[in-house]
Amino acid sequence: EVQLVESGGGLVQSGGSLRLSCAASGFTFSSYWMTWVRQAPGKGLEWVANIKQDGTENYYVDSVKGRFTISRDNAKKSLYLQMNSLRADDTAVYFCARELELPSFDIWGQGTMVTVSS
Amino acid sequence: DIQMTQSPSSLSASVGDRVTITCRASQGISKSLAWYQQRPGKAPNLLLSATSTLQIGVPSRFSGSGSGTDYTLTISSLQPEDFATYYCQQCYSTPYTFGQGTKLEIK
Repeated sequence: EVQLVESGGGLVQSGGSLRLSCAASGFTFSSYWMTWVRQAPGKGLEWVANIKQDGTENYYVDSVKGRFTISRDNAKKSLYLQMNSLRADDTAVYFCARELELPSFDIWGQGTMVTVSS
Repeated sequence: DIQMTQSPSSLSASVGDRVTITCRASQGISKSLAWYQQRPGKAPNLLLSATSTLQIGVPSRFSGSGSGTDYTLTISSLQPEDFATYYCQQCYSTPYTFGQGTKLEIK
């Protein structure tokens, strides 16, 4: 079964750090761009960052540049999001997703909640 | 950044109705548009990519069209399971921006 499972969310104080993980199974992880999307409580979807198959390219939304780092380990079939200098407006459910060539996101994890307290 | 303006923000309709949701990009996106359905507490589900390519397993009552800056999602005959929130997303350039969402509710 093609699956993505996120972990690592939790409650953190403003200014703190958190590392999210996304474990992939059921497909050739190293063949796909991967992405992180977040959704604040009761709000819409916001694309956060993505990373190329071999990890040599990545892109970020402006609001997280310099604070978040996306990475991957193809041997472990895992995607990561290192989040530093967290702010209250980073509070959201964070989803990892597989990116198609077109691109669009066809496989999503169930999401992991990150709460930043001020 | 490309801004996506989705309308309406909410829509009340009945089973069997035909509904249309529109999305306007702040610049041309060459049909690089995807539509997602999201039910409460769940991850989004990809319905269509590249404006009109239906994903495997998505019912044919869903269709998409558009070009340039203007795009539409049409549901030809609403079913009970279609009541959810729908998002458009431009996939033309990063940051990949989403529309604000359309909440489709039962009348």
